Amino acid sequence: GAGVSQSPRYKVAKRGQDVALRCDPISGHVSLFWYQQALGQGPEFLTYFQNEAQLDKSGLPSDRFFAERPEGSVSTLKIQRTQQEDSAVYLCASSLFGTSGFANTGELFFGEGSRLTVL
Amino acid sequence: AQKVTQAQTEISVVEKEDVTLDCVYETRDTTYYLFWYKQPPSGELVFLIRRNSFDEQNEISGRYSWNFQKSTSSFNFTITASQVVDSAVYFCALSEWGNNNDMRFGAGTRLTVKP
Repeated sequence: GAGVSQSPRYKVAKRGQDVALRCDPISGHVSLFWYQQALGQGPEFLTYFQNEAQLDKSGLPSDRFFAERPEGSVSTLKIQRTQQEDSAVYLCASSLFGTSGFANTGELFFGEGSRLTVL
Repeated sequence: AQKVTQAQTEISVVEKEDVTLDCVYETRDTTYYLFWYKQPPSGELVFLIRRNSFDEQNEISGRYSWNFQKSTSSFNFTITASQVVDSAVYFCALSEWGNNNDMRFGAGTRLTVKP
């Protein structure tokens, strides 16, 4: 399809397991964002890529969280040694432009998210 | 740091009623962007509107209208003649110039429109 695709849609992990969440952005989109959305809350910023460069990872909650976008398209968010507090929906969004100024239309295209449940 | 407050957690209206969703923001920047997104049950957020801080003109798009008032740091969203399909969670968000990687979202307002 033409939209942002995320997989898996649902993931159940036992505490301590590693998980990997995949994001396939819209083809040609420069910017890619990961957000974490806890139940009943708004999305919270995790990290940002401009092409393959991870320009901002200030929102990653701990060093157990790692993201990559090696070829500037598909991105993977990896969570090591999952904890119950990691349970959330992880949203990926892409944008045509970089975030260097007014050229950014601000329109982010979001995927449907990956719902992670840690038991 | 920037902050967005959506005081209304849930709103329920009957179809054809008008409804206003409130958004109040805090920022130290003089240049910033405000957004509204809709999150239907399927989960993906859908972009509705973006305003920059220099443009206080209110905007109307069909049944949707937005009232941006810098004096009260508010960016409210009104749906006129609501429809059942408007049922969703609506998020207001803010990003600051020079830091617009970090779009801050409010907690959202869940709107239910009953037939």
